[in-house]
Amino acid sequence: GQQLNQSPQSMFIQEGEDVSMNCTSSSIFNTWLWYKQDPGEGPVLLIALYKAGELTSNGRLTAQFGITRKDSFLNISASIPSDVGIYFCAGPGGTDKLIFGTGTRLQVFP
Amino acid sequence: GAVVSQHPSRVICKSGTSVKIECRSLDFQATTMFWYRQFPKQSLMLMATSNEGSKATYEQGVEKDKFLINHASLTLSTLTVTSAHPEDSSFYICSARQGAWGSEQYFGPGTRLTVT
Repeated sequence: GQQLNQSPQSMFIQEGEDVSMNCTSSSIFNTWLWYKQDPGEGPVLLIALYKAGELTSNGRLTAQFGITRKDSFLNISASIPSDVGIYFCAGPGGTDKLIFGTGTRLQVFP
Repeated sequence: GAVVSQHPSRVICKSGTSVKIECRSLDFQATTMFWYRQFPKQSLMLMATSNEGSKATYEQGVEKDKFLINHASLTLSTLTVTSAHPEDSSFYICSARQGAWGSEQYFGPGTRLTVT
């Protein structure tokens, strides 16, 4: 079945640093979604991408829909402590459902 | 807008008992609701999809007789874990979607189930 692999698995960075993470799929996607999950909470949608090559920003976050349609990237600039959490990519997993990536756990140190 | 609530947020039950978890869309009508399970340090895994007034569609490997889903109204879906066992301990998250595929799914805050 379809799989979404995220890299890196975890990141430990200092406040103020920029962050880059990516998500790759075993098959072509026509939609990429990026979510953030805080500890003990449900995920919250950060950015949605619908077109190959699309680059979309949401504040300090920027995500790109890869040209091959098999990958997507999320960048966070000038990280702050509240950026801590798990970042998931997601995409259509068939009719009427989403599949989630393996997640990237971000820890920000002051 | 687009708030989804879950109740309870945490529940501890004894092995062999049943537990019901509620998922409500507070300010919109959800034509479709989804139930996910998340084990520690793992991703969200879809358990089932439910449409109001019809039977839920379960993912492969999810026992429909063990995880009973009822989507009786456009704002409420319930997940009942029957005859719970310690291996059912997990974080259960629901999401709700207002429109057809392509519309955003809004996630609830999750329910932490611990079976002793």
